[in-house]
Amino acid sequence: DAGVIQSPRHEVTEMGQEVTLRCKPISGHNSLFWYRQTMMRGLELLIYFNNNVPIDDSGMPEDRFSAKMPNASFSTLKIQPSEPRDSAVYFCASSFRRLETQYFGPGTRLLVL
Amino acid sequence: KQEVTQIPAALSVPEGENLVLNCSFTDSAIYNLQWFRQDPGKGLTSLLLIQSSQREQTSGRLNASLDKSSGRSTLYIAASQPGDSATYLCAVTESGGSNYKLTFGKGTLLTVNP
Repeated sequence: DAGVIQSPRHEVTEMGQEVTLRCKPISGHNSLFWYRQTMMRGLELLIYFNNNVPIDDSGMPEDRFSAKMPNASFSTLKIQPSEPRDSAVYFCASSFRRLETQYFGPGTRLLVL
Repeated sequence: KQEVTQIPAALSVPEGENLVLNCSFTDSAIYNLQWFRQDPGKGLTSLLLIQSSQREQTSGRLNASLDKSSGRSTLYIAASQPGDSATYLCAVTESGGSNYKLTFGKGTLLTVNP
């Protein structure tokens, strides 16, 4: 298996633009997680999906952030409008079941100017 | 709210040394604890997972211990190698209804010098 796939790997955009990050989990995994990593706050869970259904979105910082999982093999994290403080590395992770080891993708490095 | 602290923030050692990384957490009601490795520009790789009922786990040159009552874990790396250079992150999984949620420390940046 190719592991968790994220795209794009790097994104540079201007404040106010819409940003869409994409994730393909490992086939057969039914839990998917979006994290954000910054120097100040470390790694934080943004949202958790189980069987394509959002279970916990309490980590989503603002209404500007939204996430979807239309099917078992694809998820998106959208920021609209983007702001400089959204600059971070965004990771997607998946696991076979909710309590099992999470496998992380390589991350998307986002820079909002 | 669970908080995870890792000490030291950075560590530099010569090749061949044995070393210990420390992790502490504020709420002992955890389901498990994991140690991850993060290489620059890459994602996280799970190294060891210790269930709350266990005291330690070993994999090759790595040994992780867990003292849940005191809220502490250590990662021991034997005979360190330059390839061990990376950031090591500790994460705890909450028990109860939020037992999917990982709370991470900020990591220890390890440099092993040849």
